[in-house]
Amino acid sequence: DTEVTQTPKHLVMGMTNKKSLKCEQHMGHRAMYWYKQKAKKPPELMFVYSYEKLSINESVPSRFSPECPNSSLLNLHLHALQPEDSALYLCASSQPLGEGAVQPQHFGDGTRLSIL
Amino acid sequence: KNEVEQSPQNLTAQEGEFITINCSYSVGISALHWLQQHPGGGIVSLFMLSSGKKKHGRLIATINIQEKHSSLHITASHPRDSAVYICAGRPYYNTDKLIFGTGTRLQVFP
Repeated sequence: DTEVTQTPKHLVMGMTNKKSLKCEQHMGHRAMYWYKQKAKKPPELMFVYSYEKLSINESVPSRFSPECPNSSLLNLHLHALQPEDSALYLCASSQPLGEGAVQPQHFGDGTRLSIL
Repeated sequence: KNEVEQSPQNLTAQEGEFITINCSYSVGISALHWLQQHPGGGIVSLFMLSSGKKKHGRLIATINIQEKHSSLHITASHPRDSAVYICAGRPYYNTDKLIFGTGTRLQVFP
């Protein structure tokens, strides 16, 4: 079982819908990440939160809106998505740099998103 | 040219064979990760290493900092090892990021 839990596992939504992806970890990690992965491609970084503050936004369109309400939770709010946004969305967590040696990222199982 | 390159892209093997996947990188990194992803599934972190060699069960990862090269070895391969293996480097210029290789798709046949 993964230590990073993502819900839902699958999501189908229309282009006008509003939905949210959720990610939760209880390992005490203070850095959390959102990645997008298209089929047969490596993950692409979208956002990084460090100590609940957004530290990296990789020029992601505003139709994706991240939120980190506390150190254990990370949300990704979706609105007016396009068909090309269909992908596997992965969440990961780790200890941020400065908390000792570099630590590995722990990944969730992902949410498979389909935009109709 | 990608900052992290992997070879081969695809690999097939018979059960029991020794497997090697290679990873080369062109940027300074503080650590290199080896990740495993089964079809349709999430990613499992296999190793994170900054120097030398690490072993876990039938998996061995090595890194040569001077040559900017890492290898993942699987001994006595098994069909359940079939997955995509991805190396990812954590660059000094931004240690919050991982730069991913394109992955190696491994199929082990019984």
